[in-house]
Amino acid sequence: EAGVTQFPSHSVIEKGQTVTLRCDPISGHDNLYWYRRVMGKEIKFLLHFVKESKQDESGMPNNRFLAERTGGTYSTLKVQPAELEDSGVYFCASSLLPGDTEAFFGQGTRLTVV
Amino acid sequence: QQPVQSPQAVILREGEDAVINCSSSKALYSVHWYRQKHGEAPVFLMILLKGGEQKGHEKISASFNEKKQQSSLYLTASQLSYSGTYFCGTEIIPDSWGKLQFGAGTQVVVTP
Repeated sequence: EAGVTQFPSHSVIEKGQTVTLRCDPISGHDNLYWYRRVMGKEIKFLLHFVKESKQDESGMPNNRFLAERTGGTYSTLKVQPAELEDSGVYFCASSLLPGDTEAFFGQGTRLTVV
Repeated sequence: QQPVQSPQAVILREGEDAVINCSSSKALYSVHWYRQKHGEAPVFLMILLKGGEQKGHEKISASFNEKKQQSSLYLTASQLSYSGTYFCGTEIIPDSWGKLQFGAGTQVVVTP
């Protein structure tokens, strides 16, 4: 069974450009989470989808970030326009159930804004 | 709200033991432990729930002190494969829908 896959694995863009990150969760997992780790600090929660609906987007830093999950399958996270402080590793995770259950992480997308 | 992990890094020789701590200023409902090797996805190790229930791998042990709001992960008789960065993720309330607050990670290096 395929795990959580993220594309691209690395992205280097200039400040002001747009970048779209993609996450394909494990098939059948209704719960999809986005996290971000900046400069070796904590991994911080961004948002949580249940199927195609945003359950919690309290961690989204500002309106330059837009997440979608069309049809409740894969999800995209768009940053527009990108700023230097957006650099970091963006992780996606999925789980069958929310809460007391194992979440499966992708390998992350390393975003560098120059 | 993010939990605090300690130590930040530890270097071990094969066979040695180590303890990684995860502390929160908030009352915890559960603690999740993950290990990430460089360039790979974080891998689930264990969940510890308030009340004492544990779910995870048999060879990894951990404790959850509800009074101190602290969890400890025990690396016993360490192997080279234990190297990586260990993260604890915490749930503060049971209906947080799996939203985890992670620590900054503890880098573990096991040498021959």
